[in-house]
Amino acid sequence: SAVISQKPSRDICQRGTSLTIQCQVDSQVTMMFWYRQQPGQSLTLIATANQGSEATYESGFVIDKFPISRPNLTFSTLTVSNMSPEDSSIYLCSVAEERAYEQYFGPGTRLTVT
Amino acid sequence: EDQVTQSPEALRLQEGESSSLNCSYTVSGLRGLFWYRQDPGKGPEFLFTLYSAGEEKEKERLKATLTKKESFLHITAPKPEDSATYLCAHRGSTLGRLYFGRGTQLTVWP
Repeated sequence: SAVISQKPSRDICQRGTSLTIQCQVDSQVTMMFWYRQQPGQSLTLIATANQGSEATYESGFVIDKFPISRPNLTFSTLTVSNMSPEDSSIYLCSVAEERAYEQYFGPGTRLTVT
Repeated sequence: EDQVTQSPEALRLQEGESSSLNCSYTVSGLRGLFWYRQDPGKGPEFLFTLYSAGEEKEKERLKATLTKKESFLHITAPKPEDSATYLCAHRGSTLGRLYFGRGTQLTVWP
């Protein structure tokens, strides 16, 4: 399975600021996703990161709040914009090959907004 | 609405005490039922994918089974290192998208 890294691993940010989270994979992958895991909750899909085109967002998530880039097949970023305390969560990226179906997750970025 | 529901929310077992975790699903046209393990402060670790009723998969002390309405994760003679949150998920209609249950937090004490 692919080795996935995320930066930063954790951060504490002030209300109203933005944070960009990076996801790097050690091999080319077809599909990349971003999830949010709020305290004590399960994972919620934010969006699918599409290479060379706009991300596909799930209901309840918008591009202005969570802009996503995917410049190539091994890298993606998620920005959490104009943060509020409600954005305090763990943000996870995941990858999958189109035929393999199995999805593998990065270690996550723990974000605290004060 | 397609969804998966996990039970119990939490389970405490003594080392060696076998048990099962449940994941019931109401999904029209199941495209895969996934099991993950998540340790505190880490991302989920892939365990199994099941696609059709009657399918079974095993890994060490874990065995996952699937019926037309639910999946079970059987843990045989668990050890303290099996303590984690176990998540199940179904795959949505668009390839790759996973929708997760709330998880079962398993604690195995010596």
